[in-house]
Amino acid sequence: NAGVTQTPKFQVLKTGQSMTLQCAQDMNHNSMYWYRQDPGMGLRLIYYSASEGTTDKGEVPNGYNVSRLNKREFSLRLESAAPSQTSVYFCASSDRGLAEAFFGQGTRLTVV
Amino acid sequence: GENVEQHPSTLSVQEGDSAVIKCTYSDSASNYFPWYKQELGKGPQLIIDIRSNVGEKKDQRIAVTLNKTAKHFSLHITETQPEDSAVYFCAASRGNRDDKIIFGKGTRLHILP
Repeated sequence: NAGVTQTPKFQVLKTGQSMTLQCAQDMNHNSMYWYRQDPGMGLRLIYYSASEGTTDKGEVPNGYNVSRLNKREFSLRLESAAPSQTSVYFCASSDRGLAEAFFGQGTRLTVV
Repeated sequence: GENVEQHPSTLSVQEGDSAVIKCTYSDSASNYFPWYKQELGKGPQLIIDIRSNVGEKKDQRIAVTLNKTAKHFSLHITETQPEDSAVYFCAASRGNRDDKIIFGKGTRLHILP
């Protein structure tokens, strides 16, 4: 089983460029999440989606947009990348919030 | 919103000794408390979880305790081994329709030979 698949694994952007991080899960989970991980800051929730067609802001949503394209896919978009968005981004999915969350391998994004 | 505090940020223990990591949470409606282990270059993986109707749960060398009154929960690892070296995260969630999972800042555990 693939589980949670994120693309790309690595990306370098120039300040002001845009890009979309893709995430897909094959476990038929209802909930999907985007987190960013920075040294000393742990995992901070950017956006989450409790079900297809719904999205909600997390702890650090500014500068990001998301789309829950269907039950499988949840994308994260940076419209105008800034150096402060340099981070490792993780997508995760779970069968509601009271169940194990499965994480992708992460996307290491550098904004120069 | 929910806030999860985790201590310590770094912990070094001798191989064979026990390690304890503590977390507190702010939202009294939280009722699911998972612990994740993250190895270098990988995404976090669930190692144990506890729900609010249970005070303690054990799985081999790992145990978690929950005190809902005090709003804190702890991870205990006994007889530590080199492969326990990793970053550990606690988290809290309400479940139901509000499905946010909020994580602590993590604890880097070093097992010393």
